[in-house]
Amino acid sequence: EVQLLESGGGLVQPGGSLRLACTASGFSFSSYAMSWVRQAPGKGLEWVSTISGTFDVTHHADSVKGRFTISKDNSKNTLFLQMNSLRAEDTAVYYCVKTRMKDPFTTFRVEPGYWGPGTLVTVSS
Amino acid sequence: DIQMTQSPSTLSASVGDRVTITCRASQTISSYLAWYQQKPGKAPHLLIYKASSLESGVPSRFSGSGSGTEFTLTISSLQPDDFGTYYCQQYNDYPWTFGQGTKVEIK
Repeated sequence: EVQLLESGGGLVQPGGSLRLACTASGFSFSSYAMSWVRQAPGKGLEWVSTISGTFDVTHHADSVKGRFTISKDNSKNTLFLQMNSLRAEDTAVYYCVKTRMKDPFTTFRVEPGYWGPGTLVTVSS
Repeated sequence: DIQMTQSPSTLSASVGDRVTITCRASQTISSYLAWYQQKPGKAPHLLIYKASSLESGVPSRFSGSGSGTEFTLTISSLQPDDFGTYYCQQYNDYPWTFGQGTKVEIK
């Protein structure tokens, strides 16, 4: 059974940093691209970042480029999101998402499949 | 960026009704479109991928159609458990973008 569990969320002041983690089980972690998608309170879904299963090909939304970095440790089945220079508009539930299709190399045209329960990040003074 | 526009924003229907939600892309995305259902306080759940492929375990009353720029999600016979917000998403190119959501209420 696929399981994803996010951690690391919490309250942080504007300009601060947080590192989110997503621990995965039930599938071959290195064979799937992984993503972060966020949802501000009462709002819609916004894609944040995607990383390939291997070779660490990454994509980031313009709204976080230069501030957030996605990475993964395949030996520990863990996905990360390092978030720096946080702003109030980064306040959201952050979801870890596994792509549906098994392919360790591509990040293109791979649909998000399974979502973790999410972790709340609140940026406020 | 590719803009995704859903309609309607909200709909209220009765159990047994046929329900249709439309999603329009600002440029062609071939068939690289997914549909999700989200219930309050929960993560989204994949229903349809590649515009018309039903995800494993999803009831057959859900179906998707379309290609290019116009897409449709249909619930053939609305059930009480189908309440929630439905989102379309294009994954033809980065940045991935989502529609603004359609909230489905059961009368």
